[in-house]
Amino acid sequence: GAGVSQSPSNKVTEKGKDVELRCDPISGHTALYWYRQRLGQGLEFLIYFQGNSAPDKSGLPSDRFSAERTGESVSTLTIQRTQQEDSAVYLCASSLAGGQAYEQYFGPGTRLTVT
Amino acid sequence: GNSVTQMEGPVTLSEEAFLTINCTYTATGYPSLFWYVQYPGEGLQLLLKATKADDKGSNKGFEATYRKETTSFHLEKGSVQVSDSAVYFCALKTNSGATNKLIFGTGTLLAVQP
Repeated sequence: GAGVSQSPSNKVTEKGKDVELRCDPISGHTALYWYRQRLGQGLEFLIYFQGNSAPDKSGLPSDRFSAERTGESVSTLTIQRTQQEDSAVYLCASSLAGGQAYEQYFGPGTRLTVT
Repeated sequence: GNSVTQMEGPVTLSEEAFLTINCTYTATGYPSLFWYVQYPGEGLQLLLKATKADDKGSNKGFEATYRKETTSFHLEKGSVQVSDSAVYFCALKTNSGATNKLIFGTGTLLAVQP
């Protein structure tokens, strides 16, 4: 079946502009995660959605970052007033449920470049 | 806090060479440990995992043993192939809290030459 998909695959934007990144999780997966990978660094957790529970936003680096998820489907990560330090690959992952035993499946990522 | 440290790359090996990529961790409680792999142009994939001390995860000829006494989870393969060229990430997931987020190392690029 289809895996996690993300769009766009690449995004170049000017400093100060807003961007929206999209994630389509695997159908039936109730848990969804966003991570960020900046050059030379490991993946950093950003935000977690599980069903209808309040999302865990503890990893969002600033109030310029926000994310939404419609039910158990598509999620959108929005970065307002982008800065050069926002340049990174943004990865989305989904899992069947939120428990520790469930494997996370990753999308191919969106490479964001802020000029 | 929880963290993962893995050896820096790139690691360049000839085909059929022995591979070790070191990974150590710091965590409270009893984490689960993972190796993920990212092949060129593809998404991150789970390679293997271990959920408790002394467990050995294995897949595609790769192995890693969860060593609590040395807080390590080193990745090994006896004979690498060109197709193993990829970036390898060590990660942990703690058993506490509601969010089962993964905490990753910085990744190690492996290049295998024919």
